[in-house]
Amino acid sequence: DIQMTQSPSSLSAFVRDKIIITCRASQSISRSLNWFQQKPGKVPKLLIYAASSLQSGVPARFSGSGSGTDFTLIISSLQPEDFATYYCQQSYNIPFTFGPGTTVDIK
Amino acid sequence: QVQLVQSGAEVKKPGASVKVSCKASGYTFTAFYIHWVLQAPGQGLEWMGRINPNSGSRNYAQRFQGRVTMTRDTSISTAYLELSGLRSDDTVVYYCARGAGTTGSDLDYWGQGTLITVSS
Repeated sequence: DIQMTQSPSSLSAFVRDKIIITCRASQSISRSLNWFQQKPGKVPKLLIYAASSLQSGVPARFSGSGSGTDFTLIISSLQPEDFATYYCQQSYNIPFTFGPGTTVDIK
Repeated sequence: QVQLVQSGAEVKKPGASVKVSCKASGYTFTAFYIHWVLQAPGQGLEWMGRINPNSGSRNYAQRFQGRVTMTRDTSISTAYLELSGLRSDDTVVYYCARGAGTTGSDLDYWGQGTLITVSS
Protein backbone atom coordinates (compact mmCIF):
# COMPACT_ATOMS: atom_id res chain seq x y z
CA ASP A 1 0.00 0.00 0.00
CA ILE A 2 1.08 3.57 -0.63
CA GLN A 3 1.69 5.40 2.66
CA MET A 4 0.77 9.06 2.91
CA THR A 5 2.28 11.43 5.43
CA GLN A 6 1.39 15.03 6.18
CA SER A 7 3.19 17.83 7.91
CA PRO A 8 2.65 19.48 10.18
CA SER A 9 0.14 17.37 12.09
CA SER A 10 -1.33 20.56 13.48
CA LEU A 11 -0.75 24.28 13.24
CA SER A 12 -2.06 27.45 14.78
CA ALA A 13 -2.52 30.50 12.63
CA PHE A 14 -4.13 33.91 12.52
CA VAL A 15 -6.87 34.99 10.18
CA ARG A 16 -5.29 36.28 6.94
CA ASP A 17 -2.16 34.19 7.41
CA LYS A 18 -0.81 32.16 4.52
CA ILE A 19 -0.48 28.50 5.42
CA ILE A 20 1.18 25.60 3.68
CA ILE A 21 0.43 21.95 4.34
CA THR A 22 2.68 19.28 2.89
CA CYS A 23 1.74 15.75 1.84
CA ARG A 24 4.25 13.08 0.87
CA ALA A 25 3.63 9.70 -0.77
CA SER A 26 5.80 6.64 -0.15
CA GLN A 27 6.15 6.17 -3.92
CA SER A 28 5.42 8.22 -6.99
CA ILE A 29 1.72 8.83 -7.56
CA SER A 30 2.06 11.14 -10.55
CA ARG A 31 -0.57 13.85 -9.92
CA SER A 32 -3.21 11.53 -8.46
CA LEU A 33 -3.67 13.49 -5.26
CA ASN A 34 -6.81 14.96 -3.70
CA TRP A 35 -7.21 17.35 -0.77
CA PHE A 36 -10.21 17.36 1.57
CA GLN A 37 -11.36 19.68 4.33
CA GLN A 38 -13.33 18.36 7.29
CA LYS A 39 -14.86 20.44 10.04
CA PRO A 40 -15.84 18.85 13.37
CA GLY A 41 -18.99 16.78 13.04
CA LYS A 42 -19.20 17.45 9.32
CA VAL A 43 -18.72 15.49 6.13
CA PRO A 44 -15.38 15.77 4.28
CA LYS A 45 -15.37 18.23 1.41
CA LEU A 46 -13.28 17.91 -1.75
CA LEU A 47 -11.11 20.98 -2.25
CA ILE A 48 -8.52 20.01 -4.84
CA TYR A 49 -8.31 17.05 -7.23
CA ALA A 50 -5.54 15.90 -9.53
CA ALA A 51 -3.02 17.75 -7.36
CA SER A 52 -3.90 21.26 -8.51
CA SER A 53 -7.44 21.45 -9.91
CA LEU A 54 -9.82 23.49 -7.80
CA GLN A 55 -13.15 21.78 -7.16
CA SER A 56 -16.17 23.79 -8.28
CA GLY A 57 -17.34 26.23 -5.63
CA VAL A 58 -14.11 26.18 -3.63
CA PRO A 59 -12.63 29.65 -3.01
CA ALA A 60 -9.58 30.63 -5.01
CA ARG A 61 -7.51 31.17 -1.84
CA PHE A 62 -7.04 27.38 -1.86
CA SER A 63 -4.43 26.02 -4.24
CA GLY A 64 -2.55 22.78 -4.69
CA SER A 65 0.69 21.85 -6.34
CA GLY A 66 3.14 18.99 -6.73
CA SER A 67 3.69 15.75 -8.54
CA GLY A 68 5.47 12.48 -7.95
CA THR A 69 5.83 12.15 -4.19
CA ASP A 70 5.62 15.70 -2.82
CA PHE A 71 2.53 17.88 -2.73
CA THR A 72 1.39 21.08 -1.05
CA LEU A 73 -1.91 22.69 -0.16
CA ILE A 74 -1.75 26.44 0.25
CA ILE A 75 -4.36 28.70 1.78
CA SER A 76 -3.29 32.17 0.73
CA SER A 77 -5.28 34.13 3.31
CA LEU A 78 -6.82 32.08 6.08
CA GLN A 79 -10.45 32.86 6.81
CA PRO A 80 -12.41 32.02 9.97
CA GLU A 81 -14.32 29.28 8.15
CA ASP A 82 -11.06 27.57 7.13
CA PHE A 83 -10.26 26.29 10.60
CA ALA A 84 -10.61 22.56 10.07
CA THR A 85 -8.69 19.34 9.46
CA TYR A 86 -7.19 18.80 6.03
CA TYR A 87 -6.51 15.40 4.51
CA CYS A 88 -4.64 14.39 1.40
CA GLN A 89 -5.57 11.19 -0.44
CA GLN A 90 -3.80 9.36 -3.23
CA SER A 91 -5.94 7.96 -6.04
CA TYR A 92 -3.10 6.29 -7.94
CA ASN A 93 -3.25 2.77 -6.56
CA ILE A 94 -5.86 0.83 -4.66
CA PRO A 95 -6.26 1.15 -1.70
CA PHE A 96 -6.73 4.90 -2.08
CA THR A 97 -5.01 5.84 1.15
CA PHE A 98 -5.49 9.04 3.10
CA GLY A 99 -2.91 11.02 5.00
CA PRO A 100 -3.32 11.33 8.78
CA GLY A 101 -4.62 14.87 8.57
CA THR A 102 -3.47 18.36 9.51
CA THR A 103 -5.55 20.32 12.00
CA VAL A 104 -5.58 24.07 11.54
CA ASP A 105 -6.78 26.06 14.52
CA ILE A 106 -6.95 29.65 15.62
CA LYS A 107 -3.90 31.26 17.20
CA GLN B 1 -28.83 18.46 -7.14
CA VAL B 2 -26.57 15.51 -6.37
CA GLN B 3 -27.39 13.84 -3.07
CA LEU B 4 -26.28 10.72 -1.30
CA VAL B 5 -28.53 9.77 1.58
CA GLN B 6 -27.41 7.03 3.93
CA SER B 7 -29.37 4.82 6.28
CA GLY B 8 -29.55 5.65 9.95
CA ALA B 9 -27.36 4.81 12.91
CA GLU B 10 -27.44 1.31 14.31
CA VAL B 11 -26.26 -0.54 17.38
CA LYS B 12 -24.98 -4.06 16.81
CA LYS B 13 -23.63 -6.82 19.00
CA PRO B 14 -20.14 -8.24 18.46
CA GLY B 15 -20.15 -10.91 15.80
CA ALA B 16 -23.21 -9.53 14.05
CA SER B 17 -23.43 -8.10 10.54
CA VAL B 18 -24.61 -4.71 9.38
CA LYS B 19 -25.78 -3.40 6.03
CA VAL B 20 -25.59 0.32 5.32
CA SER B 21 -27.40 1.83 2.36
CA CYS B 22 -26.54 4.87 0.25
CA LYS B 23 -29.28 6.21 -2.01
CA ALA B 24 -28.16 8.43 -4.85
CA SER B 25 -30.19 11.09 -6.60
CA GLY B 26 -29.64 14.01 -8.94
CA TYR B 27 -27.33 12.20 -11.36
CA THR B 28 -27.04 9.00 -13.39
CA PHE B 29 -26.25 6.40 -10.72
CA THR B 30 -24.50 4.00 -13.10
CA ALA B 31 -22.10 6.65 -14.41
CA PHE B 32 -20.02 7.13 -11.24
CA TYR B 33 -18.24 4.83 -8.80
CA ILE B 34 -19.44 4.70 -5.21
CA HIS B 35 -16.66 4.60 -2.63
CA TRP B 36 -16.92 3.74 1.05
CA VAL B 37 -14.78 5.49 3.66
CA LEU B 38 -14.74 5.00 7.40
CA GLN B 39 -13.81 7.26 10.28
CA ALA B 40 -13.33 6.09 13.84
CA PRO B 41 -14.31 8.58 16.58
CA GLY B 42 -11.76 11.37 16.67
CA GLN B 43 -9.61 9.69 14.03
CA GLY B 44 -8.76 10.11 10.37
CA LEU B 45 -10.32 8.81 7.18
CA GLU B 46 -9.79 5.30 5.84
CA TRP B 47 -10.75 4.10 2.37
CA MET B 48 -12.56 0.77 2.39
CA GLY B 49 -13.34 0.11 -1.24
CA ARG B 50 -15.44 1.03 -4.22
CA ILE B 51 -18.08 -0.40 -6.51
CA ASN B 52 -18.81 0.35 -10.12
CA PRO B 53 -22.61 0.61 -10.16
CA ASN B 54 -22.72 -0.06 -13.88
CA SER B 55 -20.81 -3.35 -13.96
CA GLY B 56 -20.99 -4.28 -10.28
CA SER B 57 -17.20 -4.78 -10.14
CA ARG B 58 -15.64 -4.08 -6.77
CA ASN B 59 -12.28 -3.27 -5.24
CA TYR B 60 -11.69 -3.69 -1.53
CA ALA B 61 -8.86 -2.61 0.72
CA GLN B 62 -6.93 -5.68 1.81
CA ARG B 63 -7.70 -5.26 5.49
CA PHE B 64 -11.43 -5.61 4.85
CA GLN B 65 -11.23 -8.52 2.42
CA GLY B 66 -13.43 -11.37 3.55
CA ARG B 67 -15.53 -9.21 5.88
CA VAL B 68 -16.92 -6.58 3.56
CA THR B 69 -19.34 -6.84 0.66
CA MET B 70 -20.33 -3.91 -1.54
CA THR B 71 -23.39 -4.28 -3.71
CA ARG B 72 -25.81 -2.09 -5.58
CA ASP B 73 -29.38 -2.04 -6.83
CA THR B 74 -29.53 0.05 -9.96
CA SER B 75 -33.35 -0.01 -10.02
CA ILE B 76 -33.41 2.19 -6.93
CA SER B 77 -30.01 3.93 -7.36
CA THR B 78 -28.74 2.55 -4.09
CA ALA B 79 -25.40 1.16 -3.02
CA TYR B 80 -24.88 -1.04 0.00
CA LEU B 81 -22.01 -1.79 2.36
CA GLU B 82 -22.25 -4.98 4.38
CA LEU B 83 -19.73 -5.74 7.10
CA SER B 84 -19.73 -9.05 8.93
CA GLY B 85 -18.08 -10.31 12.11
CA LEU B 86 -18.41 -6.95 13.81
CA ARG B 87 -15.93 -6.08 16.54
CA SER B 88 -15.80 -3.21 18.98
CA ASP B 89 -13.26 -1.42 16.78
CA ASP B 90 -15.83 -1.40 13.98
CA THR B 91 -17.58 1.36 15.95
CA VAL B 92 -17.08 4.03 13.33
CA VAL B 93 -18.89 6.35 10.95
CA TYR B 94 -19.22 4.91 7.46
CA TYR B 95 -19.47 7.33 4.55
CA CYS B 96 -20.37 6.69 0.95
CA ALA B 97 -18.99 9.07 -1.64
CA ARG B 98 -19.38 9.53 -5.37
CA GLY B 99 -16.23 9.03 -7.40
CA ALA B 100 -15.93 11.56 -10.22
CA GLY B 101 -13.18 12.49 -12.66
CA THR B 102 -11.45 10.49 -15.34
CA THR B 103 -10.53 7.69 -12.95
CA GLY B 104 -13.70 7.81 -10.89
CA SER B 105 -11.71 8.53 -7.76
CA ASP B 106 -12.35 12.22 -7.03
CA LEU B 107 -14.77 11.99 -4.12
CA ASP B 108 -16.91 15.00 -4.91
CA TYR B 109 -20.18 14.26 -3.09
CA TRP B 110 -20.51 12.47 0.23
CA GLY B 111 -23.34 10.92 2.18
CA GLN B 112 -24.08 12.26 5.64
CA GLY B 113 -22.41 9.29 7.32
CA THR B 114 -23.80 6.35 9.26
CA LEU B 115 -22.63 5.63 12.79
CA ILE B 116 -22.45 1.94 13.60
CA THR B 117 -21.90 1.19 17.27
CA VAL B 118 -20.73 -2.29 18.19
CA SER B 119 -21.44 -3.07 21.81
CA SER B 120 -22.50 -6.03 23.87
